[in-house]
Amino acid sequence: ETGVTQTPRHLVMGMTNKKSLKCEQHLGHNAMYWYKQSAKKPLELMFVYNFKEQTENNSVPSRFSPECPNSSHLFLHLHTLQPEDSALYLCASSQAQERYYEQYFGPGTRLTVT
Amino acid sequence: LAKTTQPISMDSYEGQEVNITCSHNNIATNDYITWYQQFPSQGPRFIIQGYKTKVTNEVASLFIPADRKSSTLSLPRVSLSDTAVYYCLVGSNTGFQKLVFGTGTRLLVSP
Repeated sequence: ETGVTQTPRHLVMGMTNKKSLKCEQHLGHNAMYWYKQSAKKPLELMFVYNFKEQTENNSVPSRFSPECPNSSHLFLHLHTLQPEDSALYLCASSQAQERYYEQYFGPGTRLTVT
Repeated sequence: LAKTTQPISMDSYEGQEVNITCSHNNIATNDYITWYQQFPSQGPRFIIQGYKTKVTNEVASLFIPADRKSSTLSLPRVSLSDTAVYYCLVGSNTGFQKLVFGTGTRLLVSP
């Protein structure tokens, strides 16, 4: 596999469920990002990890919990979400946080909260 | 990050050259100009980056005038598959800044 992969590609969950989104990058990068893209809205940065350490939390509600066990894997744990959390969740990576301007994105997970 | 302004949408036909201009009047000395492309329901894709004059790769060309207050992304001989949203971003090449994608330019290529 090449590039950045995300699983699942589609997810439907109820407001009381707990689920996790997974991202894996095969580029040897050290920085990873989570973004949210709601319908007809610009991408919003959620979290940034650099060498497995979280360096940015863009005021994201605690019902979203990121995890970065190593530089190649990034998770987003979801619990007690709201319908307005329905969106496309995108993972990205870059060589390092300092090379933030050249990010490689995965295909995204389309999340629907019912 | 310097604020950028680009057209909301553009229309073109297959085989034509498309030029998308971005204004960034407050660009700083250390700022680079970066363009991304996004297809529906996919993540953005890095296209090209430049600092001044002209940069060309296999996908596009980027023209930056001497004052660097604007830049133009040029797509030669577009095809239907070039229909996408194109984002212009400006930021320093040192340290870290959040990428601010804005609403971009929605390019529609017709047969």
